[in-house]
Amino acid sequence: QQQVKQSPQSLIVQKGGISIINCAYENTAFDYFPWYQQFPGKGPALLIAIRPDVSEKKEGRFTISFNKSAKQFSLHIMDSQPGDSATYFCAASMEYGNKLVFGAGTILRVKS
Amino acid sequence: DSGVTQTPKHLITATGQRVTLRCSPRSGDLSVYWYQQSLDQGLQFLIQYYNGEERAKGNILERFSAQQFPDLHSELNLSSLELGDSALYFCASSGTLVGRSAGYTFGSGTRLTVV
Repeated sequence: QQQVKQSPQSLIVQKGGISIINCAYENTAFDYFPWYQQFPGKGPALLIAIRPDVSEKKEGRFTISFNKSAKQFSLHIMDSQPGDSATYFCAASMEYGNKLVFGAGTILRVKS
Repeated sequence: DSGVTQTPKHLITATGQRVTLRCSPRSGDLSVYWYQQSLDQGLQFLIQYYNGEERAKGNILERFSAQQFPDLHSELNLSSLELGDSALYFCASSGTLVGRSAGYTFGSGTRLTVV
């Protein structure tokens, strides 16, 4: 119930294309869903986050879509750039406790 | 620079040894979290401290322990090291007990290699 399942494991996208990464969760007590971006040798950095009271949140080229009934959320990267090549993690947490449960990660490569 | 400082960046040690990893949280953050990242396990939550007290425990082995000091820095102690303990260890901090508005800020990690 504490798991967050992430797919795909890896993704190759052409420059200018749309990158889509999906996550699913079981625990309905989760109420905060962030996405993190990690470059080699660096720690994960918060990219964008959403609460379950909204279905979509957009920040620049990054959009989170959230489907509460399906218990799924996804990250869309529009106009993907080579600089977006990194590992992306979805995560979830509950209001009380605050620890983040991470998905397994998706290695994104954007080809120029 | 995320504001969360972890030392050392790299550590190579032998099996059976004990090491201490150090984390200084972002200025003003009271919560510190420790995560282990390995290739086959992803990012695994180990333990959380809030203002010096343990708040939550995850998949932390009995050979591992942590503490948070009055100046809010934290140390993760790993003992009787095994080859399987080789991993990246990350520290993160946040502003309050449920400090989502401040976000979770990760340090750059300590890469531990047990030989």
